[in-house]
Amino acid sequence: EAQVTQNPRYLITVTGKKLTVTCSQNMNHEYMSWYRQDPGLGLRQIYYSMNVEVTDKGDVPEGYKVSRKEKRNFPLILESPSPNQTSLYFCASSFLGQGRNIQYFGAGTRLSVL
Amino acid sequence: KQEVTQIPAALSVPEGENLVLNCSFTDSAIYNLQWFRQDPGKGLTSLLLIQSSQREQTSGRLNASLDKSSGRSTLYIAASQPGDSATYLCAVRDGGNSGYALNFGKGTSLLVTP
Repeated sequence: EAQVTQNPRYLITVTGKKLTVTCSQNMNHEYMSWYRQDPGLGLRQIYYSMNVEVTDKGDVPEGYKVSRKEKRNFPLILESPSPNQTSLYFCASSFLGQGRNIQYFGAGTRLSVL
Repeated sequence: KQEVTQIPAALSVPEGENLVLNCSFTDSAIYNLQWFRQDPGKGLTSLLLIQSSQREQTSGRLNASLDKSSGRSTLYIAASQPGDSATYLCAVRDGGNSGYALNFGKGTSLLVTP
């Protein structure tokens, strides 16, 4: 079954404690990205990757890091989380070619930073 | 930067009605447009994808249209059912010069009453 898997689904942490949210896709997609969703602000892109070892900033990259060492994995790293990073996070992936570029989303990770 | 607006923000209709959700965007140079459904606290489910060269897509009771020149898309839901109650998100995908980002509207919250 084609899917994007995020872990953990729920996470409560404290300010400054480094954490990683994992994302894995089994569809051999070139493109992967991270979004955060906040009430009143909608979904905003944090980082994206067009292929292995190619990453770039989205609209709200401050406080986040990513890596793309393998095609299937795209972890989101918060080196020193702060309360303003409390949010619902989504990982997404897709092909880039015309005609088959539907974006698939993971189930989300709800993060609370105390 | 691409701005995506969805009208109305909320909609309540009795079961069986046909309804139209609206999406407008500011930059017509899009890669594609995708409609999603999101249930409370859940992930995003892709409903329909319209490529930049297409005018409409249909899936079951859903029909989405795209008019790039006017910067508009509509999602038509026929014979609405209580199970259609959810938030519907319109997302416009940028081209490669803008990192293929998805730009989301803030959504239309739909309630279908029995």
